[in-house]
Amino acid sequence: AQTVTQSQPEMSVQEAETVTLSCTYDTSESDYYLFWYKQPPSRQMILVIRQEAYKQQNATENRFSVNFQKAAKSFSLKISDSQLGDAAMYFCAYRSADNYGQNFVFGPGTRLSVLP
Amino acid sequence: GAVVSQHPSRVICKSGTSVKIECRSLDFQATTMFWYRQFPKQSLMLMATSNEGSKATYEQGVEKDKFLINHASLTLSTLTVTSAHPEDSSFYICSARDLLRGEKLFFGSGTQLSVL
Repeated sequence: AQTVTQSQPEMSVQEAETVTLSCTYDTSESDYYLFWYKQPPSRQMILVIRQEAYKQQNATENRFSVNFQKAAKSFSLKISDSQLGDAAMYFCAYRSADNYGQNFVFGPGTRLSVLP
Repeated sequence: GAVVSQHPSRVICKSGTSVKIECRSLDFQATTMFWYRQFPKQSLMLMATSNEGSKATYEQGVEKDKFLINHASLTLSTLTVTSAHPEDSSFYICSARDLLRGEKLFFGSGTQLSVL
């Protein structure tokens, strides 16, 4: 079974600064997807960014980018120019590409605080 | 992006009553929907996978007679908490997979259930 680990329960960053959230995962599969989801105080889960494992190029979405290291099974999220609205719980998630109906596996989450 | 509507957003009920939570995909067909439970400051815990037209698949430890799931159409899944007790109080979230965008998961806004 796949597992996802987020070793930082809490992080804080100064507004306008850059922060990196860590995520590691364990799998024996070669093809899969990785995601970062954000859950603000409203508790609505919002997709931040996704990465296909077969792509070497790191995904980027505006101020959000990932550092995907397949061999190390690492998938960190970098938030540049942090804004107050970035404060939220961030969940790293894994999904196998083999089984179309398979569930996502979520990490325990990292709570990010943005300091003004 | 795809929209998933979840209702109600909050419900308070007396112990012993049943509560139904609806999850609708508004602009896409969802052959698979997932139901999660989230305790305060914790990650999402998968309860069951709901497939349209068939019985739901429950995770180990989840009582299928307590948490009834129905996925009668491609746009609607319901979770009924039967004979609710205070220990069932929690935040419940549904998610749906768009068949055409299979690797993405879209979430409802969640339901906070409080059983008195």
